[in-house]
Amino acid sequence: EPEVTQTPSHQVTQMGQEVILRCVPISNHLYFYWYRQILGQKVEFLVSFYNNEISEKSEIFDDQFSVERPDGSNFTLKIRSTKLEDSAMYFCASSPTLQSNTEAFFGQGTRLTVV
Amino acid sequence: QQQVKQSPQSLIVQKGGISIINCAYENTAFDYFPWYQQFPGKGPALLIAIRPDVSEKKEGRFTISFNKSAKQFSLHIMDSQPGDSATYFCAVMEYGNKLVFGAGTILRVKS
Repeated sequence: EPEVTQTPSHQVTQMGQEVILRCVPISNHLYFYWYRQILGQKVEFLVSFYNNEISEKSEIFDDQFSVERPDGSNFTLKIRSTKLEDSAMYFCASSPTLQSNTEAFFGQGTRLTVV
Repeated sequence: QQQVKQSPQSLIVQKGGISIINCAYENTAFDYFPWYQQFPGKGPALLIAIRPDVSEKKEGRFTISFNKSAKQFSLHIMDSQPGDSATYFCAVMEYGNKLVFGAGTILRVKS
């Protein structure tokens, strides 16, 4: 069964350092997303991406964040200068179409710990 | 602005019992209401979803009840099993397939 894969599973970084979280969406999907889940809290939308550009972003997705699809398979989330409050699980998701009622498939997540 | 309110925060149910989790939403423009199940260390996985033109949807032991006028929907898990122990999130889908999640309910089924 096709799945969204994320690497690494756990990343520890020093405050102020840059991190890149990587995702390989399901191969025939066209829409890609990043969500964040701070420990014990709900899953929050960060950004959606289609046709090599951002479709929508939340207030959380400030100038420190960027996304990129550098090749035909990877989808990355970059945090330029990490803060302690960026510590969270980051989930990548993909969906095949933009039609309503289309399931978004989530990866297993990357646990980011900023120290 | 809290668009989706989920309750209870946690729930303990005996094996074989019924688990009920409730959600309320504010914006009537939502048109897709999924429930996600999340096990520790895993990403959310779609469990069951409903559109607002039906009042109930059943898949195996899982049922969504939808009350459009009250802007509420609930998940019922019949014959709850220890393997159902997980965190459950309701969500609403905005334009662009953006999901807005509830706060989550930690379900524990005691054997």
